[in-house]
Amino acid sequence: EAGVVQSPRYKIIEKKQPVAFWCNPISGHNTLYWYRQNLGQGPELLIRYENEEAVDDSQLPKDRFSAERLKGVDSTLKIQPAELGDSAVYLCASSGNRAGYTFGSGTRLTVV
Amino acid sequence: AQRVTQPEKLLSVFKGAPVELKCNYSYSGSPELFWYVQYSRQRLQLLLRHISRESIKGFTADLNKGETSFHLKKPFAQEEDSAMYYCALSSGAGSYQLTFGKGTKLSVIP
Repeated sequence: EAGVVQSPRYKIIEKKQPVAFWCNPISGHNTLYWYRQNLGQGPELLIRYENEEAVDDSQLPKDRFSAERLKGVDSTLKIQPAELGDSAVYLCASSGNRAGYTFGSGTRLTVV
Repeated sequence: AQRVTQPEKLLSVFKGAPVELKCNYSYSGSPELFWYVQYSRQRLQLLLRHISRESIKGFTADLNKGETSFHLKKPFAQEEDSAMYYCALSSGAGSYQLTFGKGTKLSVIP
């Protein structure tokens, strides 16, 4: 089993440019999460999906961030336009039937 | 609002010494508490959860509701225990979301 797969692993972009991250959860996991982890901090939830429905996006900065999970499987997280303060590690995780989280390796975004 | 506090950013211990990583939380309901670990260049992974009452890699943690704590302990530290440790709290039934502490970096000195 591949686990939760995220791409790319690293991304460097100039400010004001768009960027997108992709996540493929574990097969059969209905719940998918996007977290952001700033340097020296713990992960913070951005959005949670139950199948294709976003059930908690209260922490997602909606002016520049968007996410989708078409068909309730893969998910993408987009930032447009990126700002310097968006530099962080973006983590995807999935879970099913309270079996516990499985995290992906994350995407490290650097905005210059 | 729920919050998880890990007071130590860095904890250094000698190999064979006891380890205690502190975690305190604030939450109005009945919490589920977890410890996650991230070894160098690896992904974040679950170490243990309080409802399982298990010992993983020699680590244990007891939920103390009176002190609102969930400290992680190991009687004899090993070099391979060096890692980042995050305490986390879950809210909601069914699929849950986690609130993490800022993490403690454990360094075991050989």
